[in-house]
Amino acid sequence: ETGVTQTPRHLVMGMTNKKSLKCEQHLGHNAMYWYKQSAKKPLELMFVYSLEERVENNSVPSRFSPECPNSSHLFLHLHTLQPEDSALYLCASSQESAGLVTNEKLFFGSGTQLSVL
Amino acid sequence: AQKITQTQPGMFVQEKEAVTLDCTYDTSDPSYGLFWYKQPSSGEMIFLIYQGSYDQQNATEGRYSLNFQKARKSANLVISASQLGDSAMYFCAMREGPYFGNEKLTFGTGTRLTIIP
Repeated sequence: ETGVTQTPRHLVMGMTNKKSLKCEQHLGHNAMYWYKQSAKKPLELMFVYSLEERVENNSVPSRFSPECPNSSHLFLHLHTLQPEDSALYLCASSQESAGLVTNEKLFFGSGTQLSVL
Repeated sequence: AQKITQTQPGMFVQEKEAVTLDCTYDTSDPSYGLFWYKQPSSGEMIFLIYQGSYDQQNATEGRYSLNFQKARKSANLVISASQLGDSAMYFCAMREGPYFGNEKLTFGTGTRLTIIP
């Protein structure tokens, strides 16, 4: 069983809908991430939360809105999406240390496969 | 310019044979980390192996080893004695510099490996 759980596994929504993706990590990590995975493209980092504060927003459209109420939970709120937003959305967590290191690995959930009609 | 290049979109390998998945990277930072992740059809990205830029020896983790050639900026993944369960997408990733978190982690486009019985 993975330490990072994402729900739902699959989501189909119309362009006018509002939905939310949920991620929960059971690993005691202090950082959480949202990634977008589209076919034949590298993973795109959308949001990073470290110690529940957002530290990175890679110019993601405002129709995606993240929320991190505590270090174990991460949400991605979706509003008026476009068909090109259809993709696999992956949540990940890691334990970031204060030292000068490069080896903190990510632990991923199984993703939410999103289809926007 | 792409920071991570995986030139093999797909590979077919006979079961029990060894397989090498190519990865080249581009960075001017002397301190960086290289990762390989496996993504089976279930969607979850699974960490396989890590190589730090200052590591003197090539990393090994069970059947996985990393052929790290720093001067050539390549970090190929070698899987020995391939198994049917190795069929998956494989992603190479790089984390630049010790001063940043995983917001500076860059992924390649991946290689789809299929093991033939």
